[in-house]
Amino acid sequence: AQTVTQSQPEMSVQEAETVTLSCTYDTSESDYYLFWYKQPPSRQMILVIRQEAYKQQNATENRFSVNFQKAAKSFSLKISDSQLGDAAMYFCAYQIQGGSEKLVFGKGTKLTVNP
Amino acid sequence: DAMVIQNPRYQVTQFGKPVTLSCSQTLNHNVMYWYQQKSSQAPKLLFHYYDKDFNNEADTPDNFQSRRPNTSFCFLDIRSPGLGDAAMYLCATSRLNTEAFFGQGTRLTVV
Repeated sequence: AQTVTQSQPEMSVQEAETVTLSCTYDTSESDYYLFWYKQPPSRQMILVIRQEAYKQQNATENRFSVNFQKAAKSFSLKISDSQLGDAAMYFCAYQIQGGSEKLVFGKGTKLTVNP
Repeated sequence: DAMVIQNPRYQVTQFGKPVTLSCSQTLNHNVMYWYQQKSSQAPKLLFHYYDKDFNNEADTPDNFQSRRPNTSFCFLDIRSPGLGDAAMYLCATSRLNTEAFFGQGTRLTVV
């Protein structure tokens, strides 16, 4: 079974600073997707960034980037120049490529941004 | 503009009284998911549809059922809600090999 582990229940960062959220996963598959989703207090889950496992290049989206280490099964999210609006729950998620499309989430990391 | 719409946003039901939550999508995605999310916890996958193929999670209680009459609509039926079923229920959709789009959720209260 695929599992996703987020070892940091809570993190905090000063506005304009950089923070890294950790995620590890366990799978025997070779082709899969990894995602970071953000869930603000309004509760609607939105995609932050995605990474295809077959791509060696780390995905980036503006201030958000990932460090994808396939051999180590690690997928961390770096938020640069943190803004107050980044405060939210962040969930790491895994999905097998070309399979049943089952999407599995980690327990989440609550990010607080201090002014 | 809403692409995944969940109704109602808030639902109060009595203990043991059947309740149905609905989800519709305008994206024509072939995959639809139902998640249960309790306060400050990860979304827990209940089941999902890949087109008409229904995939039930092994630990989803029998009390929970789902229907997908067409591509656009999916329903979550809770046959006899208990106090432990109070949660936020999230619907999501995706196309093959793409990210999921979520609705705003339905917060279920059981009294």
